Amino acid sequence: AQSVTQLDSQVPVFEEAPVELRCNYSSSVSVYLFWYVQYPNQGLQLLLKYLSGSTLVKGINGFEAEFNKSQTSFHLRKPSVHISDTAEYFCAVRLTGGGNKLTFGTGTQLKVEL
Amino acid sequence: NAGVTQTPKFQVLKTGQSMTLQCAQDMNHEYMSWYRQDPGMGLRLIHYSVGAGITDQGEVPNGYNVSRSTTEDFPLRLLSAAPSQTSVYFCASSPRGTGYQETQYFGPGTRLLVL
Repeated sequence: AQSVTQLDSQVPVFEEAPVELRCNYSSSVSVYLFWYVQYPNQGLQLLLKYLSGSTLVKGINGFEAEFNKSQTSFHLRKPSVHISDTAEYFCAVRLTGGGNKLTFGTGTQLKVEL
Repeated sequence: NAGVTQTPKFQVLKTGQSMTLQCAQDMNHEYMSWYRQDPGMGLRLIHYSVGAGITDQGEVPNGYNVSRSTTEDFPLRLLSAAPSQTSVYFCASSPRGTGYQETQYFGPGTRLLVL
């Protein structure tokens, strides 16, 4: 079975600073990878996804992530964060042939401060 | 399109009471899922459906029932609520496509408190 690890439960950062949110996965077969964002009191929204092809994936709101198969990682980055990026971010994985079941990480709370 | 809608937004139950959380989508998606979100545990899959008349268990199915009589609706039933079911519940849907490359669309959530 696949699993996802988000080691950082909270990441504080100053506005306009760069940020990286870490995600590592474990799976014996190939996977699709996703990052979701959850703003306070809202549902999850898809930020970006890796299905195949280029390992650098660009998403909405200036976020990008890089798939590293050898390190089984899919870290999320943004070069300059804004106050409005304050939210919880979830990494998720799904087996390429495994139907539609997503396995989520425990989430990382990004807090952007002035 | 309204997307994925969930009702109610908030609910308080007493231990032992039953209730149904409603979920509907107007995108003609085949796949629908229910998740619960608890602090420090991320989202965990409760039940899912790959089409009308077909349901299956997820990671944490105990205490919950589902049915899928139509493509649009996927209600989640709590037969006898317990305090351990206090959580935020999310419904999600996605279309079936080539290579299972779909994206899941999430509803706004239902916040449930069981006393």
